[in-house]
Amino acid sequence: EVQLQQSGPEVGRPGSSVKISCKASGYTFTDYVMNWVKQSPGQGLEWIGWIDPEYGSTDYAEKFKKKATLTADTSSSTAYIQLSSLTSEDTATYFCAQYYDGFAYWGQGTLVTVSS
Amino acid sequence: DIQMTQSPSFLSASVGDRVTINCKASQNINKYLDWYQQKLGEAPKLLIYNTNSLHTGIPSRFSGSGSGTDFTLTISSLQPEDVATYFCLQHNSGLTFGSGTKLEIK
Repeated sequence: EVQLQQSGPEVGRPGSSVKISCKASGYTFTDYVMNWVKQSPGQGLEWIGWIDPEYGSTDYAEKFKKKATLTADTSSSTAYIQLSSLTSEDTATYFCAQYYDGFAYWGQGTLVTVSS
Repeated sequence: DIQMTQSPSFLSASVGDRVTINCKASQNINKYLDWYQQKLGEAPKLLIYNTNSLHTGIPSRFSGSGSGTDFTLTISSLQPEDVATYFCLQHNSGLTFGSGTKLEIK
């Protein structure tokens, strides 16, 4: 059974960075790209980008190119997203999700709160 | 970038009603349109991929149609457990979600 287990909630100061993890199990980690999606409070969904764990290649939505950095550790089957220069606009729930014939598998989401 | 216009934003219907939700793309996205259901506090759940392919385990009352720029999600007979927010997603060029439709029972 495919599972994506994300790390717990984070609180970040304005201007700082946070790093969220997504541990994959139930499939070969390097076989599928991992996507990240943002959901602001009471708002819709925004695609941030994806990483191919096998090659480390990435693609980002234009809006997130300077905000997010995607990495992956194949030894632990874990994908990461680092969010930098935090502002109140970054307060949101972040999801990892695997795409194959749709986003069939999602992590449970990680709430990031930006607060001084 | 491709923009997705989803309508209506809010929908109230009775149990047993036929419900339709629409998404319009700013340019041709061929068949590359998915539908998701999100209940409060949960991750989105895939319903339909590539316009009209029903994801495993999804009830047959859900169906999708359309092509090019105009797409529709239909619930043939609304059930109480269908209360949720529904999103479309285009994956023809990058990925763009619609703004969502909140569905409630009248």
